[in-house]
Amino acid sequence: GAVVSQHPSWVICKSGTSVKIECRSLDFQATTMFWYRQFPKQSLMLMATSNEGSKATYEQGVEKDKFLINHASLTLSTLTVTSAHPEDSSFYICSGSGQPSYEQYFGPGTRLTVT
Amino acid sequence: DAKTTQPPSMDCAEGRAANLPCNHSTISGNEYVYWYRQIHSQGPQYIIHGLKNNETNEMASLIITEDRKSSTLILPHATLRDTAVYYCIVAPNTGNQFYFGTGTSLTVIP
Repeated sequence: GAVVSQHPSWVICKSGTSVKIECRSLDFQATTMFWYRQFPKQSLMLMATSNEGSKATYEQGVEKDKFLINHASLTLSTLTVTSAHPEDSSFYICSGSGQPSYEQYFGPGTRLTVT
Repeated sequence: DAKTTQPPSMDCAEGRAANLPCNHSTISGNEYVYWYRQIHSQGPQYIIHGLKNNETNEMASLIITEDRKSSTLILPHATLRDTAVYYCIVAPNTGNQFYFGTGTSLTVIP
């Protein structure tokens, strides 16, 4: 299957700071990328959908001004958690979808801890 | 919202077949059934998907009922490495949003 990478794999930041997470599709062009978050012992929750070159579409209840998503190229999407707070601590996972199969391939996830 | 329901947990003896059920009674005609699994602290891994016919690959088999309201994922010879949370998802095959349910936590017992 296709490969999606995320960087960093884990990050610790102080409350009030911003953190950027990168998601890259390594061997396919991801026309659509998705961002999920997962709290301990819970399922994945879709946060937003982004199409290359367009503004992201956020799920209900997800603050677009807090979770900034940029999908500037067919191989890179970024999620910036602005003014992070301890309740933003979570496991953030991205996925990509594109030609030819349009399956969703998931990244390994990024563990964010806000102190 | 997720359109699937799965039992929260199951056990399976190593070497035996693991049969994981999923109910998706409100599935639409253009929606596929996808199965992914997630090993602790990793991203979900694709297993298999199907529309209405049964499917088999090197990892598993997918049996979809004729009315498409339910399906079963079969791991033919479960190993300890198959211990994971298994998610059944329905979505159109166009890169649409995946809404995950609670999944089934499968434990393979030695």
